[in-house]
Amino acid sequence: QSVLTQPPSVSGAPGQRVTISCEGSTSNIGAGYDVHWYYQLPGTAPTLLIFANNNRPSGVPDRFSAFKSDTSASLVITGLQAEDEADYYCQSYDRGLGGVFGSGTKVTVL
Amino acid sequence: EVQLVESGGKLVRPGGSLRLSCVVSGFTVSDNYMSWVRQAPGKGPEWIAVAYTGGNTHHANSVHGRFTISRDTSRNTVYLQMNSLRDEDTAVYYCARGGGNIYFDSWGRGTLVTVSS
Repeated sequence: QSVLTQPPSVSGAPGQRVTISCEGSTSNIGAGYDVHWYYQLPGTAPTLLIFANNNRPSGVPDRFSAFKSDTSASLVITGLQAEDEADYYCQSYDRGLGGVFGSGTKVTVL
Repeated sequence: EVQLVESGGKLVRPGGSLRLSCVVSGFTVSDNYMSWVRQAPGKGPEWIAVAYTGGNTHHANSVHGRFTISRDTSRNTVYLQMNSLRDEDTAVYYCARGGGNIYFDSWGRGTLVTVSS
C-alpha cells in the first residue's frame, strides 16, 4: 500500500492533455515537502521528470508541467506523444517514513 | 559524465546476507545525499536507505535493523549491507543521488537480488 496514491492508468490520443494525480496526506505533501515526478520505461531505471513541484530538468520538454496544492499534486502532459507511453511516479518525503513514492500510473497513448 | 554502477546482486537463500556496491564517477559521494531504492517485480520504486552528507544515515522501516548503508570516500563508492534476507526483499536495487526531501536526479542501472530457497 503506497503512501502516495495515483490512478493505475490514464490514456489519451496523440495531442490530447492528460493529468495524473498524486494524493498524499498531512504527513508528506500537506506538511510542505516537495513533490517530484519520474517516468520509467520497461527494464530501465526511473528518470527525473519534474523536481521541486514544478521545475523541469534541462532536456525535459515543456509539454510536461506539474503543480502542488494542499495534500496533493498533479502532473500534466499537454500534447501527448507516442513516446510519452511509460509508467509515471510521484515522490515526496514523509515525516514518519522518509522518502515515499506513489503507486504509479501507466500512461497509454491510444 | 555522471555514472553510477551497481554490482553484487545474485540469488541468495532466505536468511542469507549480501553486500551491494555502487561505484560513482562524475561527482563526489561525500558531497551528496546518496540512496538505495529498490523495485520489486511489477511494483513501484521503494526508497530504503539514505546516507546524508554529514554522515548520518536513515533506513526505511521495512529494512531497519537488517540493512545498512555506508560509503567509502576513498573509493567514491556506496554500499548496502543486507542481512537476514527475506523473500520479499527480491527486487532490482538502484543506487541514486538524492534522498530525504531531495529528488533523485541520477540513477544507476540496477542490480537484481533474488531471495529464494
